[in-house]
Amino acid sequence: DVKVTQSSRYLVKRTGEKVFLECVQDMDHENMFWYRQDPGLGLRLIYFSYDVKMKEKGDIPEGYSVSREKKERFSLILESASTNQTSMYLCASRGGTPGDQPQHFGDGTRLSIL
Amino acid sequence: RKEVEQDPGPFNVPEGATVAFNCTYSNSASQSFFWYRQDCRKEPKLLMSVYSSGNEDGRFTAQLNRASQYISLLIRDSKLSDSATYLCVVNLAYNTDKLIFGTGTRLQVFP
Repeated sequence: DVKVTQSSRYLVKRTGEKVFLECVQDMDHENMFWYRQDPGLGLRLIYFSYDVKMKEKGDIPEGYSVSREKKERFSLILESASTNQTSMYLCASRGGTPGDQPQHFGDGTRLSIL
Repeated sequence: RKEVEQDPGPFNVPEGATVAFNCTYSNSASQSFFWYRQDCRKEPKLLMSVYSSGNEDGRFTAQLNRASQYISLLIRDSKLSDSATYLCVVNLAYNTDKLIFGTGTRLQVFP
């Protein structure tokens, strides 16, 4: 089974703080993703990465950055947290080709920005 | 029109019932399709991929209708443990990760 681990299940931070969300996968997948999920909006892609040190913007990258220094680890960074970034954040990884292989998700991090 | 649309429900069904959900998609070029299950406050978990010929996994059957641009999920002999939100996921192009997630259909199975 694919194991995708996110560093925190629940996190509370203050406006203006720099926030790091960590994600690790153990399947040697090249492809990793960060989403946020909000009620009524479904999952929206923030950033993704197809390889170490490679990153691509998703649909809503504003206010976020990412880091992929090692293949198994993909970090999401909120440079200066704002209240509208309160959300459920989900990391995913995928092996193989996009059409054939689904994405597998971590447990999620519920982030609250006060 | 949303790219992927699902009836939010909830669908309230008794144990043992058969229930079906549909999901419509707007882009006729969509290439691959998945159903995910998401329990309350948990991550989405892959339930099944949806193949052109339709596929079955135990009590679950998925169908694709390209002409009418929808996929369906049929659950037979519902169990209490089937209570969850079912997400429809569409990949817009075969060789990309451009996934569009539906907002989900909630199923509640009661004794």
